[in-house]
This record gives sequence, structure tokens and C-alpha cells, in this order.
Amino acid sequence: EAGVAQSPRYKIIEKRQSVAFWCNPISGHATLYWYQQILGQGPKLLIQFQNNGVVDDSQLPKDRFSAERLKGVDSTLKIQPAKLEDSAVYLCASSAPVGKGNEKLFFGSGTQLSVL
Amino acid sequence: QQQVKQSPQSLIVQKGGISIINCAYENTAFDYFPWYQQFPGKGPALLIAIRPDVSEKKEGRFTISFNKSAKQFSLHIMDSQPGDSATYFCAAGTYKYIFGTGTRLKVLA
Repeated sequence: EAGVAQSPRYKIIEKRQSVAFWCNPISGHATLYWYQQILGQGPKLLIQFQNNGVVDDSQLPKDRFSAERLKGVDSTLKIQPAKLEDSAVYLCASSAPVGKGNEKLFFGSGTQLSVL
Repeated sequence: QQQVKQSPQSLIVQKGGISIINCAYENTAFDYFPWYQQFPGKGPALLIAIRPDVSEKKEGRFTISFNKSAKQFSLHIMDSQPGDSATYFCAAGTYKYIFGTGTRLKVLA
């Protein structure tokens, strides 16, 4: 079974530039997540999709971050304009139900973003 | 935002020893407590998970102990091996999860 695919693997940009990340979840997984993982910290949820609808985007800095999931499969996360504090690994995950309303998350390898 | 507090931040254990990582949560509505293992350059991968209706769950060398009244849970790695060297994250939630800050485990050969 193919895992969650993400690209690019690394990205270096200057502040105020824009950047986009792409994610392809595991086939058949309806729920997709974008997490931000700052060095030395745990993943922080940015946005959660159920099919192509947004379930939770309460932690997404909407003045600069946007995300979409067209056709309920692939997703893109965009940052415009980037700030120094956006330097982090951006993880995409999709999930499968494990009963009682809980979900098992499958993570991609992430995109490491450095903002200079 | 509800927090999940994890300790220690780092841990060094001899091969064959027991590694213990602790977490505490705040929200009593949380009903699923997974542990994730992350190797450098990789995304976290589910290791083991527990629900609050049991006090302990064991899978191979990995055991979760759960104390509902104290709102605490811990991961025990028995017979720790160098291949267990990784960062471990606890998490808590229902259908979405809050992650702890991580514990970097190093097992010495």
C-alpha cells in the first residue's frame, strides 16, 4: 500500500516570497490533515479536511496560509507571504477509522521549509 | 488550546534497559491516546494506542500505562534496543489530536 506522498522534500525561500506544498493521501482516505512541526516541537494541526470540505482550520493563520483539497483527493498548502517563523517541517497526514470515532493517522515524510 | 505535557525532553538508556516516557493531558473528553515514533527525516508513525477504558495495553516490547483519574499516561519500552533510538510523541484527542513536545530517545549499544 502506497503511503502519503508529499513534495517537494525541501524548500528554501526568502521572507515575503510565496511557497506551495503538495500532498497525495493514501487511496480511499477521506480525511486529510496538514500539520506544522517546528524544530523540537510536536506537530501542530493547521487544517483538517473531510473529503473536500474543511472540518477544522482554527489554527491556520489565514492572513498568509491557505489550503485546498480539490476533488477530495490531493491537497495543496500555500504560504504567501512567508515569514521567518514559518520555517518548519510541513507534514501531511491522512487517516483511517479505528472505531469509536477515533482515527489512525498516516504521515508523509514532510516538506522542510527554510525561510531566510 | 488544550495541552499535552510530555517528559522528559530527552532520554539516554543502555541497551536492554527500560525507557519510560510520561504524558499528562487536561481535557477529560479525550478518548484516544496514541504514541508516535519518528525517525530523522521521516513523518511520525503510529506505535501503539490506548483508550481510557483500560489501564494498560501491551504490544511486544511496548506498553502503555493509563491513569484516568490522574489524567496521565506513559510509554514503557522494555529491553530497549539501539534501533529504538528516535523521537517519541504522545498525543491525545478524539478524532483529531494534540501532540506532546516529544522525547528524543537514544539507546546506547
